[in-house]
Amino acid sequence: DAKTTQPNSMESNEEEPVHLPCNHSTISGTDYIHWYRQLPSQGPEYVIHGLTSNVNNRMASLAIAEDRKSSTLILHRATLRDAAVYYCILRDSSWGKLQFGAGTQVVVTP
Amino acid sequence: NAGVMQNPRHLVRRRGQEARLRCSPMKGHSHVYWYRQLPEEGLKFMVYLQKENIIDESGMPKERFSAEFPKEGPSILRIQQVVRGDSAAYFCASSQGYGSRGNNEQFFGPGTRLTVL
Repeated sequence: DAKTTQPNSMESNEEEPVHLPCNHSTISGTDYIHWYRQLPSQGPEYVIHGLTSNVNNRMASLAIAEDRKSSTLILHRATLRDAAVYYCILRDSSWGKLQFGAGTQVVVTP
Repeated sequence: NAGVMQNPRHLVRRRGQEARLRCSPMKGHSHVYWYRQLPEEGLKFMVYLQKENIIDESGMPKERFSAEFPKEGPSILRIQQVVRGDSAAYFCASSQGYGSRGNNEQFFGPGTRLTVL
């Protein structure tokens, strides 16, 4: 799986949007872009994924650059419960493992 | 639909003892993955299993660690002769065995926190 680059940490005020960038300049044509997050003392949980088009679900939105070399996870209104480490992961056509990097620690301030 | 279940949630062992970690995947899931998270470090893949088969064990330490996913029952991660460096959180995940590969979401359990004294 190709490598991703994320900022170490980001801060946000509660109820404001959070934009989490991810660079993946070596992405291949068959790589999907996945986001997972890990709340303190919990297992990771799936957030969203996409291939080429922007995606929305109840948790977040994913904006994918036209050249696919970067993407942005958007939390529309951050809550205290969104404080977590967010991981951007590329998955190729294999079934298998997720390769977690260091992720971005999101801090939400009341 | 119950999520991925892991037990025990906390396990304490003395050096040299064996640790057995259990994982029951979500109903209908035939793929199981094990990950380890050392203190202050990221999640690292260990092994990927389907029923009765090991598909990818590229992340497993060469010695003392083994995993199985029998036809009946939970997946087991076994650590023999534990050492202090094995202290970590061990997470299990499961996924469906069909659908587009790139879409295959993994559902994680709450983890087992292993402490080796």
